[in-house]
Amino acid sequence: AQSVTQLDSQVPVFEEAPVELRCNYSSSVSVYLFWYVQYPNQGLQLLLKYLSGSTLVKGINGFEAEFNKSQTSFHLRKPSVHISDTAEYFCAVSDTEAGSYQLTFGKGTKLSVIP
Amino acid sequence: SQTIHQWPATLVQPVGSPLSLECTVEGTSNPNLYWYRQAAGRGLQLLFYSVGIGQISSEVPQNLSASRPQDRQFILSSKKLLLSDSGFYLCALLAGGTYEQFFGPGTRLTVL
Repeated sequence: AQSVTQLDSQVPVFEEAPVELRCNYSSSVSVYLFWYVQYPNQGLQLLLKYLSGSTLVKGINGFEAEFNKSQTSFHLRKPSVHISDTAEYFCAVSDTEAGSYQLTFGKGTKLSVIP
Repeated sequence: SQTIHQWPATLVQPVGSPLSLECTVEGTSNPNLYWYRQAAGRGLQLLFYSVGIGQISSEVPQNLSASRPQDRQFILSSKKLLLSDSGFYLCALLAGGTYEQFFGPGTRLTVL
């Protein structure tokens, strides 16, 4: 079984400032890692994913994340945020060995960008 | 490209009433399909997944059930709703070869 911990439930940040949203996971098997974004009353949109290879992955909207196997972390970063980045962000893991590829999500981090 | 339709978009139901939420997908065949529920402050919880017609796996014991009568149709049902069934229900499919899940627009259910 897997679990995901998002350490911050809310993160306020000023516009054009950098931001880091933290994610740690626990799993007894290898996992795939994902970050999703959710705008109010909408479904989830994939920001980026790590399957294998380079530990630094780049996604949409200028976001990037780094997979750290030793620290079991997958933190999301953006060097300069915009008002439009205000949303809720979810970190998720998927078991690479089970055929269902079901996702286990963290509880989410609400990012508020302050003008 | 894949598209997921969910309806209704919003629903208000009394306690004890039945429920039927529908999810249909386009642009793919024989996808893995998933139902998630998002309750306030609890993140997303996987309820059911299906790897094919008539094949349903339940992840959480509850008064909900799921069915997959056709390859591109996934239905979430209940015979008697509870207050705790309120939430945002999301249908998702597994994008073949990419291991990522693609989500539909969701159904907001309020049980009163």
